[in-house]
Amino acid sequence: ETGVTQTPRHLVMGMTNKKSLKCEQHLGHNAMYWYKQSAKKPLELMFVYNFKEQTENNSVPSRFSPECPNSSHLFLHLHTLQPEDSALYLCASRQLAGGPVTGELFFGEGSRLTVL
Amino acid sequence: GESVGLHLPTLSVQEGDNSIINCAYSNSASDYFIWYKQESGKGPQFIIDIRSNMDKRQGQRVTVLLNKTVKHLSLQIAATQPGDSAVYFCAESGGYNKLIFGAGTRLAVHP
Repeated sequence: ETGVTQTPRHLVMGMTNKKSLKCEQHLGHNAMYWYKQSAKKPLELMFVYNFKEQTENNSVPSRFSPECPNSSHLFLHLHTLQPEDSALYLCASRQLAGGPVTGELFFGEGSRLTVL
Repeated sequence: GESVGLHLPTLSVQEGDNSIINCAYSNSASDYFIWYKQESGKGPQFIIDIRSNMDKRQGQRVTVLLNKTVKHLSLQIAATQPGDSAVYFCAESGGYNKLIFGAGTRLAVHP
């Protein structure tokens, strides 16, 4: 148990569906992240949130829409996805304390997404 | 969290041997590095980190070596055990509050 919980663990959706992935961290961290893990790119950074503000969008298509309502929760809203979006989506959190950014990322166990 | 379908380089070792996993990083300005371990069905887990002002750091059964001249990072695991079988990723700081991960190496430990 890493303190980062992702739901659902598995999701199958059609290309016209709208679904959301949820991440909750119980560690009191102030930064949260979405990573994509697939056969093509092992761990690809998608979005970064510091103190609920999005600070990084790593050229992610608009069919992926993140939401961070507070520092403990992070969502990834999915709509009109493509089969190539099938992957493991990992959420992570970290405590930023000012100065050089160090310290480990704590990962959840991921949401395995299959797009039909 | 398994890396299904990934054609990763694989290191095969005998139980009890020492393992060395290598990583080349890209940004000479990176000042912080981490090694992660990912077991099947789980997310990546922190193993050890090192800052660029160091060239070696030791943990429990693990040692990380950093060679900034050739931008190379290695993870040494002493007395490798079956439980060490996993995919290992190195990561470098890629700008403020970003960690950029390498491709990963699969470690297979045989009895």
